[in-house]
Amino acid sequence: SQKIEQNSEALNIQEGKTATLTCNYTNYSPAYLQWYRQDPGRGPVFLLLIRENEKEKRKERLKVTFDTTLKQSLFHITASQPADSATYLCALSLGNTGKLIFGQGTTLQVKP
Amino acid sequence: ETGVTQSPTHLIKTRGQQVTLRCSSQSGHNTVSWYQQALGQGPQFIFQYYREEENGRGNFPPRFSGLQFPNYSSELNVNALELDDSALYLCASSNRLAASTDTQYFGPGTRLTVL
Repeated sequence: SQKIEQNSEALNIQEGKTATLTCNYTNYSPAYLQWYRQDPGRGPVFLLLIRENEKEKRKERLKVTFDTTLKQSLFHITASQPADSATYLCALSLGNTGKLIFGQGTTLQVKP
Repeated sequence: ETGVTQSPTHLIKTRGQQVTLRCSSQSGHNTVSWYQQALGQGPQFIFQYYREEENGRGNFPPRFSGLQFPNYSSELNVNALELDDSALYLCASSNRLAASTDTQYFGPGTRLTVL
């Protein structure tokens, strides 16, 4: 069956450290993988997109990797801050279908 | 903040009733998608509207229906509400012609509670 999984347990880290979140999928061949941030009671906000032929993408303190052989994406936040505390969602896009398939999200808590 | 707005913010209904949720897309966007997000879960794709027609549907029964208007705003209608329909309903807009990706710009959502 098709699945997309993120760590369901919350990730707690100390301010200044690097947070690494994992997204694994099975039985999909995504064209793109996207990461979103969601704060409580709010809609998801787009952060980064990486294509199937890209290995790594960076934006400021954020870095995403995409390994289509392992069927895995890693999302890194360097020099983390308490303001980075939120739920992070990965989403697969199978092409320009308009349909995103989301993981369940990982909650990140950055402690000062 | 995106330019996507949704109304109402919160809604309480009873089982068997019908509900209509509304969404105004971001300026310049011609496509609207609707998602259902249960507590502690990721958003689940309901359907997408482009040029006032349904353009893709997720695994939701026919009692979930929608409309898109000429100004690209949209409505989600749910008939015969069930307790499991309690969730955050998210609207997302995008520009299908300009973008080669499916990056979505989400509204703040409508929290629906079915009693």
